[in-house]
Amino acid sequence: SQQGEEDPQALSIQEGENATMNCSYKTSINNLQWYRQNSGRGLVHLILIRSNEREKHSGRLRVTLDTSKKSSSLLITASRAADTASYFCATVLNSGYALNFGKGTSLLVTP
Amino acid sequence: NAGVTQTPKFQVLKTGQSMTLQCAQDMNHNSMYWYRQDPGMGLRLIYYSASEGTTDKGEVPNGYNVSRLNKREFSLRLESAAPSQTSVYFCASSETQGVVTIYFGEGSWLTVV
Repeated sequence: SQQGEEDPQALSIQEGENATMNCSYKTSINNLQWYRQNSGRGLVHLILIRSNEREKHSGRLRVTLDTSKKSSSLLITASRAADTASYFCATVLNSGYALNFGKGTSLLVTP
Repeated sequence: NAGVTQTPKFQVLKTGQSMTLQCAQDMNHNSMYWYRQDPGMGLRLIYYSASEGTTDKGEVPNGYNVSRLNKREFSLRLESAAPSQTSVYFCASSETQGVVTIYFGEGSWLTVV
């Protein structure tokens, strides 16, 4: 069963605006990762946050993790049309052997 | 450095036919994975191989078999294809299991009619 669930399922914003996506998960995790998938392509790793970290930055990306609420958020600042893609959170369980992916948030950034 | 390469890119099968999806990585990774992606379902793990010589079932293994041919290659076989196996298949690899980034291939679009 899928561990993470992203919210919202779809998000439409204009260039320059910020985009926030959320991920909730069910059980204890080792780390949480965010991936991006452009239409018709494979997934590409964006950022990893460990269970003992609360916030992490990478360029225009900001990820937070709240283990007490079992949730994470991905913020993309100053969005660009090129950010249009699906974004997935993925978790590794403490007993983990592989990543479990959510169903993704589809982001559309219009010029 | 090609990363993860999977073939074929597109395939149409008739119900009951068999086929093998090939995957190879050139990053000297120990672990490899096969996922399927269906609309509204996200990615689901079919099989994985923690290291050369080992394979284990994931979330949705029924109807599939895998072979870790060597450290580089991990193939997925459909012995008797069914329409429910129409999906996009992704091969992936990682240096090890667990707290690591995994790298995906570009996907194989399979339609079973």
